Amino acid sequence: DVKVTQSSRYLVKRTGEKVFLECVQDMDHENMFWYRQDPGLGLRLIYFSYDVKMKEKGDIPEGYSVSREKKERFSLILESASTNQTSMYLCASSPLAEQYFGPGTRLTVT
Amino acid sequence: DQQVKQNSPSLSVQEGRISILNCDYTNSMFDYFLWYKKYPAEGPTFLISISSIKDKNEDGRFTVFLNKSAKHLSLHIVPSQPGDSAVYFCAAANMDSNYQLIWGAGTKLIIKP
Repeated sequence: DVKVTQSSRYLVKRTGEKVFLECVQDMDHENMFWYRQDPGLGLRLIYFSYDVKMKEKGDIPEGYSVSREKKERFSLILESASTNQTSMYLCASSPLAEQYFGPGTRLTVT
Repeated sequence: DQQVKQNSPSLSVQEGRISILNCDYTNSMFDYFLWYKKYPAEGPTFLISISSIKDKNEDGRFTVFLNKSAKHLSLHIVPSQPGDSAVYFCAAANMDSNYQLIWGAGTKLIIKP
């Protein structure tokens, strides 16, 4: 079974803090993705990566950065958290089209 | 411009009946389609997929139908069970574009006992 883990299920941060969300997959997948999910908006792609040290912007990259130093790990960084970044953050990995998701991190920025 | 649309935000179905969830797309380059199910506070889980060379794919209680000329696909769940209550997302991909998925906004399915 594919396993995708995320560092925290729930996180509360203050405005202006730097936030790190980590994602680890154990299936040697090339592709990894970060999404945010908000009610009525579905899943919106923030960043994705097709290889180590490689990253591509998704639909809503503003205010975020990513790091992929190892194949199994893909980190999402909020440089200076803002209240409009309160959301559910989902990490996924995939060998091809089918993506496997982690449990998500519910981030609240106050 | 939404390329994948799920026009029904929610759907309520009696237990034991058929649930039909719909999805429309605009990009004729999409050639692979997937359905995911999501419970609250969990990540989405893959349900079923279909390639554009087929018009139907079945897996147990779940069947996906694809109508390429109408750019429409649907997910049928028969019979519906209480555990099927969840949000269902439709996603589409162009297999030449690095497998990036384009997602619909989701439909919340409620199965009534």
